[in-house]
Amino acid sequence: EDQVTQSPEALRLQEGESSSLNCSYTVSGLRGLFWYRQDPGKGPEFLFTLYSAGEEKEKERLKATLTKKESFLHITAPKPEDSATYLCAVKTGANNLFFGTGTRLTVIP
Amino acid sequence: NAGVTQTPKFQVLKTGQSMTLQCAQDMNHEYMSWYRQDPGMGLRLIHYSVGAGITDQGEVPNGYNVSRSTTEDFPLRLLSAAPSQTSVYFCASSYSPRGGYEQFFGPGTRLTVL
Repeated sequence: EDQVTQSPEALRLQEGESSSLNCSYTVSGLRGLFWYRQDPGKGPEFLFTLYSAGEEKEKERLKATLTKKESFLHITAPKPEDSATYLCAVKTGANNLFFGTGTRLTVIP
Repeated sequence: NAGVTQTPKFQVLKTGQSMTLQCAQDMNHEYMSWYRQDPGMGLRLIHYSVGAGITDQGEVPNGYNVSRSTTEDFPLRLLSAAPSQTSVYFCASSYSPRGGYEQFFGPGTRLTVL
């Protein structure tokens, strides 16, 4: 059965304290791994797509990496405005996206 | 560009009532989908469409109906609301159902079924 697990469930960081969020997956035939950011009361906002092991993408303080079993979202020197829930999703065959339950990140000034 | 719009933002129904959640996009995207989001669970796909006139079931389709008569609109119908359908519903669209799967999400509809 396809499965996506995100850890930790919640993470509190001091401003400037770098860390990583994990997304591990068990799927048959990965066709892409996606990271989204979701602010309270809003829809998810697309961040990155990764397609193959070894691939990396960067955007401001965020960097996403992919291995054959997991993906990491590295946050460098986070700011309070980075506080949000970060969602990971994987695409398998057909048109299905499977989402993890997310990591709720809080950055304290 | 308004992107993906959803109406209403909030809705309260009684068990057994029916209603339609509206979704529209102005980006000329072929692919549109409906998700529900529940506490402690990831977003789950209800139904999706790869183009006008073409729809298919996702992971949790029971109790929901969709149709796609135009590229822009993809309404979700609740046939006979149940408390288990209390959730936040998101509509999303993507320019390609095959690759480059960047999905644009609407702001959501928060539905409560009493």
